[in-house]
Amino acid sequence: EVQLVESGGGLVKPGGSLRLSCAASGFTFSSYSMNWVRQAPGKGLEWVSSISSSSSYIYYADSVKGRFTISRDNAKNSLYLQMNSLRAEDTAVYYCARGPNGKTLYYFDYWGQGTLVTVSS
Amino acid sequence: DIQMTQSPSSLSASVGDRVTITCRASQGISNYLAWYQQKPGKVPKLLIYAASTLQSGVPSRFSGSGSGTDFTLTISSLQPEDVATYYCQKYNSAPCTFGQGTKVEIK
Repeated sequence: EVQLVESGGGLVKPGGSLRLSCAASGFTFSSYSMNWVRQAPGKGLEWVSSISSSSSYIYYADSVKGRFTISRDNAKNSLYLQMNSLRAEDTAVYYCARGPNGKTLYYFDYWGQGTLVTVSS
Repeated sequence: DIQMTQSPSSLSASVGDRVTITCRASQGISNYLAWYQQKPGKVPKLLIYAASTLQSGVPSRFSGSGSGTDFTLTISSLQPEDVATYYCQKYNSAPCTFGQGTKVEIK
């Protein structure tokens, strides 16, 4: 069974940093692209970032480019999102989501339960 | 960037009704379109990809169509468990933009 478990969310002050993690199990992690999608409270879904299976291809939404860094460790079956210079508008539930193959820029066939990031003073 | 616009933003229909949701791209995206269902308080679930391919395990009352700029998600016979917000998503290129969502309720 595919499982994606996010962690690392919490309350952080504006300008602060946070690192999210996503632990994957139930599939060959190194064969699939991975993604972060967020959802602000009461709002719709927003794609944040994508990384290919080998980390060769990485993409970011303009809203986070230069502040967030996606990475993965295939040996540890883990996906990460380093978030710096956080703003109030980054407040959201952050979902880890799997792509259907190793390439980036696809749909997302499995999602984690999400981790809440709150940016507030 | 390509914008994705869904209509309507919300709808109310009776059990058994045929429901259609539209998603329009501001530029052509071929068939690189997916549909998701998000029930209240739950995680999004993939329903359809490549505009019309049903994800495994999704009930056959859900169907998708379209290509280029205009796409539709159809629920052939609305069921109580279909109460949710539905999102389209394009994935032909970055950014992988979602539509703003369509909330479906039972009348």
